[in-house]
Amino acid sequence: GAVVSQHPSWVICKSGTSVKIECRSLDFQATTMFWYRQFPKQSLMLMATSNEGSKATYEQGVEKDKFLINHASLTLSTLTVTSAHPEDSSFYICSARGLHNSGNTIYFGEGSWLTVV
Amino acid sequence: QQQVKQSPQSLIVQKGGISIINCAYENTAFDYFPWYQQFPGKGPALLIAIRPDVSEKKEGRFTISFNKSAKQFSLHIMDSQPGDSATYFCAALHTGRRALTFGSGTRLQVQP
Repeated sequence: GAVVSQHPSWVICKSGTSVKIECRSLDFQATTMFWYRQFPKQSLMLMATSNEGSKATYEQGVEKDKFLINHASLTLSTLTVTSAHPEDSSFYICSARGLHNSGNTIYFGEGSWLTVV
Repeated sequence: QQQVKQSPQSLIVQKGGISIINCAYENTAFDYFPWYQQFPGKGPALLIAIRPDVSEKKEGRFTISFNKSAKQFSLHIMDSQPGDSATYFCAALHTGRRALTFGSGTRLQVQP
């Protein structure tokens, strides 16, 4: 199957700082990428949808100024958590849908653990 | 509002048994229904998926049964193995937004 890579796998940052998470589609061009947040023992909650070259669409309740998403190329999307606080600590997972299939199959990255101290 | 309801929350099955996880949805705009398997600390991995014009799909030990009129679908894991112990999520893809909505997850434990 297609490969989606996330970096870093885990990151610890101080409260008030910003942290960037990268999501790359390694063997296909991702027209659309999705960012999810998952708290321990809970389901995945969609944060935003980004299409290459256009602004991301955020889900209700997700602060667009706090979670900056950039999808500058067909293989890379980034999520920047600005002015991070301990309550932002979570597992962030990206997924991607590409041009190489019917558009239904969505592949997920391995996730990035963020801990804000 | 939970658009995809999943049950049970947790499931314990003996090795060799059948694991059954159920999901139900309300939104008729969903047109694709995948199941994902997630191990602790890892991202979800696509297991099997079905379209609503098909009532059943089988891949190896995994089978999806789909009831369009009831808006329900289920995952059956035959000959369950300890290595199947993981959290399973059903999901539904919105025909317009093309984004996945996930169920709440089922933690499966297969005892040896």
